[in-house]
Amino acid sequence: DIQMTQSPSSLSASVGDRVTITCRASQDISNYLAWFQQTPGKAPKALIYAASILQSGVPSRFSGSGSGTDFTLTIASLQPEDFATYYCQQFRRYPLTFGQGTRLDIK
Amino acid sequence: QVQLQESGPGLVKPSETLSLTCTVSGGSIIGYYWSWFRQPPGKRLEWIGYIYSSGNTNYNPSLKSPVTMSVDTSADQVSLKVTSVTAADTAVYYCARATNNGWYLLWGQGTLVTVSS
Repeated sequence: DIQMTQSPSSLSASVGDRVTITCRASQDISNYLAWFQQTPGKAPKALIYAASILQSGVPSRFSGSGSGTDFTLTIASLQPEDFATYYCQQFRRYPLTFGQGTRLDIK
Repeated sequence: QVQLQESGPGLVKPSETLSLTCTVSGGSIIGYYWSWFRQPPGKRLEWIGYIYSSGNTNYNPSLKSPVTMSVDTSADQVSLKVTSVTAADTAVYYCARATNNGWYLLWGQGTLVTVSS
């Protein structure tokens, strides 16, 4: 299975901050990567797919980059509704696998 | 607007079978891949498997409990069965639909299943 590792596991930031979350794959996955946002008690919400394509309706302050084994999710200017847990997911090979999550808290 | 809704018992006894249904509204299941995911309390998301509307399946070989998926195209429903469940199968279970390129961008709200006697 392809292992997905995110860093950091948790992060404290303030409204208006620029935040970057990293996801590393255990082998080359090209651009077969998606990012999800999850708030407590809710389903994961797709933010980005194919490493850098913004899902319809997602604010432009979210962006993704990377290819191969290293990927980043950037939030340009944090808003109150962005405090959540973020997961990366690879789609290069089955079984699909997720990172352990990055919890983003208010500082 | 297509919506997915998971349903099923919230409590299942150990060694019994967990059965869930995903009902699709606002669209058809035909022509799409449908996956089940789960998330144990405090843990990362896990892919259980997928089924195509024709019935072709692919399951995660890492799962310890046997899994079966099926489709009912007349009712626009996708079903999941997990047999011989243990406490490790306690999780929120989600169904999701893949895009034509395979990205799971549309998810149901999830349903919590607890395995306990």
